[in-house]
Amino acid sequence: DTEVTQTPKHLVMGMTNKKSLKCEQHMGHRAMYWYKQKAKKPPELMFVYSYEKLSINESVPSRFSPECPNSSLLNLHLHALQPEDSALYLCASSQGTSSTYFGPGTRLLVL
Amino acid sequence: GNSVTQMEGPVTLSEEAFLTINCTYTATGYPSLFWYVQYPGEGLQLLLKATKADDKGSNKGFEATYRKETTSFHLEKGSVQVSDSAVYFCALIRDTGKLIFGQGTTLQVKP
Repeated sequence: DTEVTQTPKHLVMGMTNKKSLKCEQHMGHRAMYWYKQKAKKPPELMFVYSYEKLSINESVPSRFSPECPNSSLLNLHLHALQPEDSALYLCASSQGTSSTYFGPGTRLLVL
Repeated sequence: GNSVTQMEGPVTLSEEAFLTINCTYTATGYPSLFWYVQYPGEGLQLLLKATKADDKGSNKGFEATYRKETTSFHLEKGSVQVSDSAVYFCALIRDTGKLIFGQGTTLQVKP
């Protein structure tokens, strides 16, 4: 099974809201990632968790707050977002630098 | 630094035509290389990979060979179908697990 699941599939939020994106994998992977993808562009890395510890933050604004409760789960907490944060948010997992598997994404619209 | 360059799209082909999407890379060392496919409204699916020079990755009729001499990883398929219409991303992986993507190539296959 190479499945990464994400919820919700779609999310609409106002600039004052707080929401969370959730991601789960059961492949035993010890690295999990958040990527952001704007329309007609490649995904851009936001965060990397390795063995449940944050190892990379690609200078992401603090209104995005990642959390890794355990080796299978990854959350992205959203607060006070801007309209330009509207995008497809992709979760992914891998075992080291072997194949990286992506979830279906959460399509976020900030009004 | 590390980078990936793909041919500009969109690429428009008739069904059963031969497909080539060019991909070249710049990297320190010899990273694993990947092709991902993204269908409309979906996340990224791993299509194929190659982990060392002269490796050939293949899946669903698609092939790509890791060419160290020309720093290339071109995607080919002998006979495309309408269902192959999607955006294709070439990528390399860094030691941190971060994927470096090309800009993506849109393929449109007409019946």
